[in-house]
Amino acid sequence: DQQVKQNSPSLSVQEGRISILNCDYTNSMFDYFLWYKKYPAEGPTFLISISSIKDKNEDGRFTVFLNKSAKHLSLHIVPSQPGDSAVYFCAASAQGGSEKLVFGKGTKLTVNP
Amino acid sequence: DTEVTQTPKHLVMGMTNKKSLKCEQHMGHRAMYWYKQKAKKPPELMFVYSYEKLSINESVPSRFSPECPNSSLLNLHLHALQPEDSALYLCASSQDPFGGGRGNTQYFGPGTRLLVL
Repeated sequence: DQQVKQNSPSLSVQEGRISILNCDYTNSMFDYFLWYKKYPAEGPTFLISISSIKDKNEDGRFTVFLNKSAKHLSLHIVPSQPGDSAVYFCAASAQGGSEKLVFGKGTKLTVNP
Repeated sequence: DTEVTQTPKHLVMGMTNKKSLKCEQHMGHRAMYWYKQKAKKPPELMFVYSYEKLSINESVPSRFSPECPNSSLLNLHLHALQPEDSALYLCASSQDPFGGGRGNTQYFGPGTRLLVL
């Protein structure tokens, strides 16, 4: 049973446009959500996170939106740059703290010049 | 500073070899993790050390043996591996695994690319 789902394996956008990556979750106990970016043969890099008490968190070109009622979050990248081309993983942790992060399967973003 | 370092960067070993992977963080984080990642897949949790004690072993074969000598260091000892163990091995750390919120943010090292022949 996949608790964190990224239903789009890939996404292609033009440089300068907005990239929107989506993530759905099923476990109501999740209260902290993270996005990681990963280049091939490198470790994932933490990008941005959001607590369940918020519905939006912004950091530069990256904004994460959380819709708790829909159990859905999204990562917006504006404007998209070719260097943003990577695999993006959504992850979640459970209420009260947890040693585990539950990862989605990832979305490969390609930003075309 | 959110740096986790791992050595070596690449490792090739035979099925009868013994080798070790090393991981270090100086952020004062109290939890450290070993993950295995295959191409086009998310990281797969292997072990968790919380406050220097092994708290999670995700049913990992005994040919992988973790060790946490102190709060900054984490090792993964490898022995009699199989070719299917070839993967990217990632170390991560987090500030406070039970604190919730930001304490659960895991910071990953660059990984060790392991090839078993």
